Amino acid sequence: GAVVSQHPSWVICKSGTSVKIECRSLDFQATTMFWYRQFPKQSLMLMATSNEGSKATYEQGVEKDKFLINHASLTLSTLTVTSAHPEDSSFYICSARGTGALHEQFFGPGTRLTVL
Amino acid sequence: GNSVTQMEGPVTLSEEAFLTINCTYTATGYPSLFWYVQYPGEGLQLLLKATKADDKGSNKGFEATYRKETTSFHLEKGSVQVSDSAVYFCALTRGAAGNKLTFGGGTRVLVKP
Repeated sequence: GAVVSQHPSWVICKSGTSVKIECRSLDFQATTMFWYRQFPKQSLMLMATSNEGSKATYEQGVEKDKFLINHASLTLSTLTVTSAHPEDSSFYICSARGTGALHEQFFGPGTRLTVL
Repeated sequence: GNSVTQMEGPVTLSEEAFLTINCTYTATGYPSLFWYVQYPGEGLQLLLKATKADDKGSNKGFEATYRKETTSFHLEKGSVQVSDSAVYFCALTRGAAGNKLTFGGGTRVLVKP
């Protein structure tokens, strides 16, 4: 149980286009989802926290207009990278938190974004 | 603010060798401490955790003890296998693991047959 998926697993796009990444909790309801960014050979940096049905809370230094987060249901959150540039190329990881015995973060496999 | 420092890798070992990955932290109050593992091409998985001082977390032969006096949570395994090759992250949170996690930089471990 407690499986989190991400789609796509990798994406290549042209500079200036927008890319949407989905994060789904497959077998539990996630009241909260977290979005992280991981640079090569570096640690995870929390970008934002999203609660179902409300606006995401962004970490300091993360542009909310650049990285749009929507958490429309208890099993789905999306991250849209708008007007992507090469410096946005990175590994994006989501995690989902349930309730009760599942009140911990379960991580997705990540999405590799390459902006040309 | 909270921070986690762990030894830089890569750490290269032979099979059946003893593994230690050092982790120290800075935090106010009484954080919970975690070790996550990221196998190649996969997401992070919780390996073990400890929620209060002197607790020992253990899983899959790995152990780590919450040492408040030295603010440390070192990861150990007595006899590693090739399948333990992965990146290991030390992390902390105030409260349960569902709260915001602060990660260390990660340590890549490579176990050779």
